[in-house]
Amino acid sequence: AQSVAQPEDQVNVAEGNPLTVKCTYSVSGNPYLFWYVQYPNRGLQFLLKYITGDNLVKGSYGFEAEFNKSQTSFHLKKPSALVSDSALYFCAVRVLYKLSFGAGTTVTVRA
Amino acid sequence: DTAVSQTPKYLVTQMGNDKSIKCEQNLGHDTMYWYKQDSKKFLKIMFSYNNKELIINETVPNRFSPKSPDKAHLNLHINSLELGDSAVYFCASSSNFSPTGRNTEAFFGQGTRLTVV
Repeated sequence: AQSVAQPEDQVNVAEGNPLTVKCTYSVSGNPYLFWYVQYPNRGLQFLLKYITGDNLVKGSYGFEAEFNKSQTSFHLKKPSALVSDSALYFCAVRVLYKLSFGAGTTVTVRA
Repeated sequence: DTAVSQTPKYLVTQMGNDKSIKCEQNLGHDTMYWYKQDSKKFLKIMFSYNNKELIINETVPNRFSPKSPDKAHLNLHINSLELGDSAVYFCASSSNFSPTGRNTEAFFGQGTRLTVV
């Protein structure tokens, strides 16, 4: 069985401040981990992924994520948030042909 | 050039009707999915297909029947629509699962907002 948890429904930050969106996972074996972003009335857009190798992965729009195997976490980060980063963020894990998502975290960046 | 396209974008229909949603991808992917996003934005996988074969059926009611005529298409037919079927349905595709993890990310369509009245 595989599962993904995003413990925060909402994250609020001021523009220019660091942004962190938390994710933990539970899978058998080595996970393929992803972050997606969804803007209102749009589909999901791929941000970044962790497959293997360096625990810090860089993705689109200045986002990065840190894989921590011992804590089974894959937190999304951005050093300096922008108002345009306000959206719904999903963490996901893929095992073979199943891609499972967390419940999502709504990020609001205030000017 | 849209990678994963779904039609229609909006669908309003009455209870008891039968409707279909079409999905096409031009990425050459082998794996396609259907997801349901409810009013709380939770994304639940419904089906996963690989090379036209059903791989995953996540305890979806029999009223939902996916059909994959070829690798590039995965359509969703829904019989006897119920109020609880109202949601946004997303189609997605990805490359075959690879031990190296290359190109394993999924690409999503823009969604079909289904409203059952």
